[in-house]
Amino acid sequence: AQKVTQAQTEISVVEKEDVTLDCVYETRDTTYYLFWYKQPPSGELVFLIRRNSFDEQNEISGRYSWNFQKSTSSFNFTITASQVVDSAVYFCALSHYQGGKLIFGQGTELSVKP
Amino acid sequence: GAGVSQSPSNKVTEKGKDVELRCDPISGHTALYWYRQRLGQGLEFLIYFQGNSAPDKSGLPSDRFSAERTGESVSTLTIQRTQQEDSAVYLCASSSPGQGLPSSGNTIYFGEGSWLTVV
Repeated sequence: AQKVTQAQTEISVVEKEDVTLDCVYETRDTTYYLFWYKQPPSGELVFLIRRNSFDEQNEISGRYSWNFQKSTSSFNFTITASQVVDSAVYFCALSHYQGGKLIFGQGTELSVKP
Repeated sequence: GAGVSQSPSNKVTEKGKDVELRCDPISGHTALYWYRQRLGQGLEFLIYFQGNSAPDKSGLPSDRFSAERTGESVSTLTIQRTQQEDSAVYLCASSSPGQGLPSSGNTIYFGEGSWLTVV
């Protein structure tokens, strides 16, 4: 069975702090995709990143970075120097590489205070 | 438009009435998904279309829920005899399957959702 666990329900930080959102997944597939989405208060899900299981190279995009470790089945997301606009619910998700449904974690609500 | 379009954006209906929610996927996207998100909750998968076929409808919560897709484009999610527990945001998403290697596979893009309130 496929499962995504985001153990942190809520995180609150002060602006400019670094914050890491945890994601642990379970799958029997050898090839799969992992995703992170952001859901700001407006409600729309915004795609942030897709990573396939063949590529364990970590990725950095501006203040965002992702750490994919197959050995621990984790795909953690770090925001450096957080800003108030980063306040949102962040979802980690998993899919089979051939497509099909995304399995979402329960989300982590990040609150960045000025 | 360039994104996934959903209508209506908001719908208030009386308990027992039927509702139809529409999704226009990104042009050329063959895969289409419906999800439900109750207030403060995560996303629940409802159904997945590949073309006009639905290989996975395991998430439809009851026989009051149905969905169809025509022309490998527009999809309609229908909820019959609505109940208060159906109140949620219904999110549609679409993707284009990758060509060749898994590394070129799909990214799933979401619409803004249809907010359904059953009173």
